Amino acid sequence: DAMVIQNPRYQVTQFGKPVTLSCSQTLNHNVMYWYQQKSSQAPKLLFHYYDKDFNNEADTPDNFQSRRPNTSFCFLDIRSPGLGDAAMYLCATSRGLAGVTETQYFGPGTRLLVL
Amino acid sequence: GESVGLHLPTLSVQEGDNSIINCAYSNSASDYFIWYKQESGKGPQFIIDIRSNMDKRQGQRVTVLLNKTVKHLSLQIAATQPGDSAVYFCAENIKGGSYIPTFGRGTSLIVHP
Repeated sequence: DAMVIQNPRYQVTQFGKPVTLSCSQTLNHNVMYWYQQKSSQAPKLLFHYYDKDFNNEADTPDNFQSRRPNTSFCFLDIRSPGLGDAAMYLCATSRGLAGVTETQYFGPGTRLLVL
Repeated sequence: GESVGLHLPTLSVQEGDNSIINCAYSNSASDYFIWYKQESGKGPQFIIDIRSNMDKRQGQRVTVLLNKTVKHLSLQIAATQPGDSAVYFCAENIKGGSYIPTFGRGTSLIVHP
């Protein structure tokens, strides 16, 4: 029944050691999003893919990259994690761009700990 | 600062009471609003939405009210249950913008049995 799947649910990495978070979806949605959510804060959009078109938010650090090899999978790569990158990372999908007619479906998130 | 914000960070209610969660927004070009529920350890879940041409919309046990004059949005939960305990976020879409909702700060709802 899971529609947006994120693995792993918890990820521990070392300061400066590259890490990749994974997201997959069974909805066949065109759009996939990555959000960063720090404790007690709202989710913050990092970037999204509309099909193969990558759209980066203006304030997303260069340290964050993403790949979408096919419709079902999307990856978040953090090239050199810092202590400030410890957060919950949420993946979401929507059929079209989220808005008046399109609902976003969120995965359970991956909690990243940076040591 | 954020254009979408919440008045109360934490709301505690007794089971069976009605809950009201408030949200203020500052962008008059916002034309669509969404309420999300986020339970501990889970991603946000869509609850209800409302377009700016409406003042009220009802769902199952939830009602969203929109007051465009004062740029205020509220989520009312009837007969609150322990399972309603979660963080609630409002989000807005800005007309002419990217159409990806911008989340406001959350309100933590705690329901006491």
